[in-house]
Amino acid sequence: AQTVTQSQPEMSVQEAETVTLSCTYDTSESDYYLFWYKQPPSRQMILVIRQEAYKQQNATENRFSVNFQKAAKSFSLKISDSQLGDAAMYFCAYRAGTYKYIFGTGTRLKVLA
Amino acid sequence: NAGVMQNPRHLVRRRGQEARLRCSPMKGHSHVYWYRQLPEEGLKFMVYLQKENIIDESGMPKERFSAEFPKEGPSILRIQQVVRGDSAAYFCASSTTSGPYNEQFFGPGTRLTVL
Repeated sequence: AQTVTQSQPEMSVQEAETVTLSCTYDTSESDYYLFWYKQPPSRQMILVIRQEAYKQQNATENRFSVNFQKAAKSFSLKISDSQLGDAAMYFCAYRAGTYKYIFGTGTRLKVLA
Repeated sequence: NAGVMQNPRHLVRRRGQEARLRCSPMKGHSHVYWYRQLPEEGLKFMVYLQKENIIDESGMPKERFSAEFPKEGPSILRIQQVVRGDSAAYFCASSTTSGPYNEQFFGPGTRLTVL
């Protein structure tokens, strides 16, 4: 069965510093997508970044980048130059050749001024 | 292009009442998905619908829960005889097609509180 594990329930980072959120997953599929979603207090699910498993190059979106290690089944999110607005729950998610997203339990990120 | 719309955003029901949650997909999207987020957990898949058809309801509780996506109008997630354990955030997502290369866009969710 496919699973997504986020082992850090909560993380803190000083404003302007860099933080890395961890995610591991388990699958027997070779072709799949991985996502990081941000959920602020409004509870809206906001797509932060997406990675296709067949691409070796790590995805980057402005201050957000991933470290995708396919063999290790690891998909961490790095946030550079952290801002107060980055404070939120962050969910790692997996989707293979179906329509079902499988989400991790989330990491609560606190940004300290 | 308006995003996925869900209403109400907040819904309070007493035990035993019915809850109806509505989802209007993005324009041009004919596939709808419902997810449930229990407190302190990630979203979990409930059901996948296309117009007038339920494609996959493997994540739906066997009793009291039903979903529909009629030819006209929004998709409805219906919970009969609600219990306190139904308190959660319910998210709807939509896509143009299914399959691995098509992204689902999420609505803002409906937070259901059962008293």
